[in-house]
Amino acid sequence: SQQGEEDPQALSIQEGENATMNCSYKTSINNLQWYRQNSGRGLVHLILIRSNEREKHSGRLRVTLDTSKKSSSLLITASRAADTASYFCATVTGNQFYFGTGTSLTVIP
Amino acid sequence: KAGVTQTPRYLIKTRGQQVTLSCSPISGHRSVSWYQQTPGQGLQFLFEYFSETQRNKGNFPGRFSGRQFSNSRSEMNVSTLELGDSALYLCASSLGGGVQNIQYFGAGTRLSVL
Repeated sequence: SQQGEEDPQALSIQEGENATMNCSYKTSINNLQWYRQNSGRGLVHLILIRSNEREKHSGRLRVTLDTSKKSSSLLITASRAADTASYFCATVTGNQFYFGTGTSLTVIP
Repeated sequence: KAGVTQTPRYLIKTRGQQVTLSCSPISGHRSVSWYQQTPGQGLQFLFEYFSETQRNKGNFPGRFSGRQFSNSRSEMNVSTLELGDSALYLCASSLGGGVQNIQYFGAGTRLSVL
């Protein structure tokens, strides 16, 4: 399967702390994207990093990409209760999207 | 610009029945993808349509089918429903290509098979 795998599966932190989640994948990619899903809803795009980029920032989000290790990480700084959600990485090869297994993040107020 | 609209939001069916789900993409988007999400299997890709043609297909039985119309609206059909088909079905639209290709998701249709 080309589906990515995320680690950890679940993460619980206190408000204000940083949260880091990782994504590993198997094939070469055009880009890698991170999405957030609030319980029972659709996914929302957070950030896209191209295969020739190593790091990208967007507000409190920082994404890194290591194509040699076929891995990416998402860092959420100064977490808030509203960040509680599931986070998915998606690798894009051509026009095909492959979503990971997701990390469930709980931010405790 | 209106987002991706999925109808209906909730459905209850019984085993053996068939069901049709609908997805209206964002205006100008030519690609529509369908996903099945369950607690056990996670987010699984069903198929993608681009300009009325199925461009990619996941590993699902033939009971799952879809189509796309000339206005890019898409429907997904599941025949002979099984209990295991209970899931959240998500539709996503995108421009359909390019390095900045991003998927925009609808809120989903939650299907319960009894």
